[in-house]
Amino acid sequence: GAVVSQHPSRVICKSGTSVKIECRSLDFQATTMFWYRQFPKQSLMLMATSNEGSKATYEQGVEKDKFLINHASLTLSTLTVTSAHPEDSSFYICSAYRDTGSDEQYFGPGTRLTVT
Amino acid sequence: GDSVTQMEGPVTLSEEAFLTINCTYTATGYPSLFWYVQYPGEGLQLLLKATKADDKGSNKGFEATYRKETTSFHLEKGSVQVSDSAVYFCALSDPFIGGNQFYFGTGTSLTVIP
Repeated sequence: GAVVSQHPSRVICKSGTSVKIECRSLDFQATTMFWYRQFPKQSLMLMATSNEGSKATYEQGVEKDKFLINHASLTLSTLTVTSAHPEDSSFYICSAYRDTGSDEQYFGPGTRLTVT
Repeated sequence: GDSVTQMEGPVTLSEEAFLTINCTYTATGYPSLFWYVQYPGEGLQLLLKATKADDKGSNKGFEATYRKETTSFHLEKGSVQVSDSAVYFCALSDPFIGGNQFYFGTGTSLTVIP
């Protein structure tokens, strides 16, 4: 089956520092990946759509200069939270779209970010 | 725009009880419908899906039928187990919208007690 990994699974950082989260599709190529944010006991909020070789498309209200997305290859997308603040603490989940004619997305296990 | 409305939780059931989690949707086109499950501390896993009207998705004893006339995709299980305790998300993907974007419901937390 299709597997998507995320690294790290948990990260704690100090306010003002930057954190990079990696999302990899392990056994398939993904031209499109998605980044979601999930607050406690809430649903997933789509932050941006990451397209290989082009700029990400951000959802309304998401600061593109704060949440930098790079989709450098068909198997890797990265999300960098710049100058993190405590309010950025959240669960970040990526998903990858496998272009096989099925419209299924495969989700990573998520990254718990805590900013102190 | 497209959206998913899901029954609010939390839901607490005794083991072997019948489960129903309601989900209704609005969509511009003819969406595919999904149920995802999230266990504590983990990401989302696809539980089942249906791609057209009257299709029934099923997996691990869970079932959901795509009802176009009522725009619903309710999740059911005849006899829940403690291991089913998780958060369940209803979602849709609308090809009319394009971009492979998913729309998620707010999630329903299920706790099954022995």
